[in-house]
Amino acid sequence: DTAVSQTPKYLVTQMGNDKSIKCEQNLGHDTMYWYKQDSKKFLKIMFSYNNKELIINETVPNRFSPKSPDKAHLNLHINSLELGDSAVYFCASSRPGTGFEQFFGPGTRLTVL
Amino acid sequence: SQQGEEDPQALSIQEGENATMNCSYKTSINNLQWYRQNSGRGLVHLILIRSNEREKHSGRLRVTLDTSKKSSSLLITASRAADTASYFCATDSGTSYGKLTFGQGTILTVHP
Repeated sequence: DTAVSQTPKYLVTQMGNDKSIKCEQNLGHDTMYWYKQDSKKFLKIMFSYNNKELIINETVPNRFSPKSPDKAHLNLHINSLELGDSAVYFCASSRPGTGFEQFFGPGTRLTVL
Repeated sequence: SQQGEEDPQALSIQEGENATMNCSYKTSINNLQWYRQNSGRGLVHLILIRSNEREKHSGRLRVTLDTSKKSSSLLITASRAADTASYFCATDSGTSYGKLTFGQGTILTVHP
């Protein structure tokens, strides 16, 4: 049973396109996150939702828009893709609040040509 | 800005040896966590140590935390080839709803 799943695993697209990445967790967690891992493996948080409400919104271009239809799903939509958006995007979930481990999905490798 | 700095950036050892990775951070924390990432995979949580703890063990893992020096170390004893992965420390300041700030990571290679 996959705890945190993401689709697609790989995404190759042209500059200027719009794309979405989907994330689902079956752990019953209230909190979900999106992280970006760059080519140097540096991992940085982008967004966090708790029970469908946005609670963390780092300095991310507004071309990135997260959407949480319910607390088990957190999708990431990216408009007008740029070369610099190429990275691996990870979804994660945890119990709400501080001091809890996060469970990560397998990642989506986005390549913008 | 990046919170954690890890040292060394890469570590290569033989099976059976111990591996020690260090993490330094800049601001006060509520807890510090260590994660492992195998190549092409997601991160897996290893261990969490709270700011009022100094040492914690889990199997072959030993984590220490020195809040006065703002540093932590992860020791893997009797390493195995399967321990080959990247290891990241992540700090939780406790002020922003579970937000983790990750270090750069240490790439550990264990040769059989």
